[in-house]
Amino acid sequence: QQQVRQSPQSLTVWEGETAILNCSYEDSTFDYFPWYHQFPGESPALLIAIRPVSNKKEDGRFTIFFNKREKKFSLHIADSQPGDSATYFCAASAYNYAQGLTFGLGTRVSVFP
Amino acid sequence: EAAVTQSPRNKVTVTGGNVTLSCRQTNSHNYMYWYRQDTGHGLRLIHYSYGAGNLQIGDVPDGYKATRTTQEDFFLLLELASPSQTSLYFCASSDDGQGNTGQLYFGEGSKLTVL
Repeated sequence: QQQVRQSPQSLTVWEGETAILNCSYEDSTFDYFPWYHQFPGESPALLIAIRPVSNKKEDGRFTIFFNKREKKFSLHIADSQPGDSATYFCAASAYNYAQGLTFGLGTRVSVFP
Repeated sequence: EAAVTQSPRNKVTVTGGNVTLSCRQTNSHNYMYWYRQDTGHGLRLIHYSYGAGNLQIGDVPDGYKATRTTQEDFFLLLELASPSQTSLYFCASSDDGQGNTGQLYFGEGSKLTVL
């Protein structure tokens, strides 16, 4: 049973467009929602994260939108660049995040110039 | 910056073989994890540990054992490897101090092929 669902599986955008990646979760105890990105041949790395105390978190061109009522959160990549081409994973964990993160299946983003 | 190193980086074995994947972190993190990454399945947690001598079962533990010998070292053991365990394995660590973000710091990955 997938506790964190991610869509789409792959996404192609043109340079300058906004890429939107979506995730939903089921476990109400989840209260930490990071996004990781992974470039080919590399390991995953934290991109941006949010806690439910807010419904929006921005870091440069990357923004997380969070909807606690619907148990959904999304990553918006504004002004997409070819260098943003990577696989993006949403994840979630409960307050006791020592138990590790539960990851979505990933979205492969391709940005064409 | 967090440093997590894995060895070997590549390993080929045969069905029924015995494999040990090693992970060392040098950031005094208490928490360490083993994940496997497979196309179509994302990253799945195998085992994790809160500290030396502690072991916890993750989401896909079958066929795997783990041992945490020190705060720095975490090992994943496949005693009877099967082709279904062909995968890319990542070790990760995270801190647990004040202001803990829960951020995972991943190693470089270990690619295991079971023939």
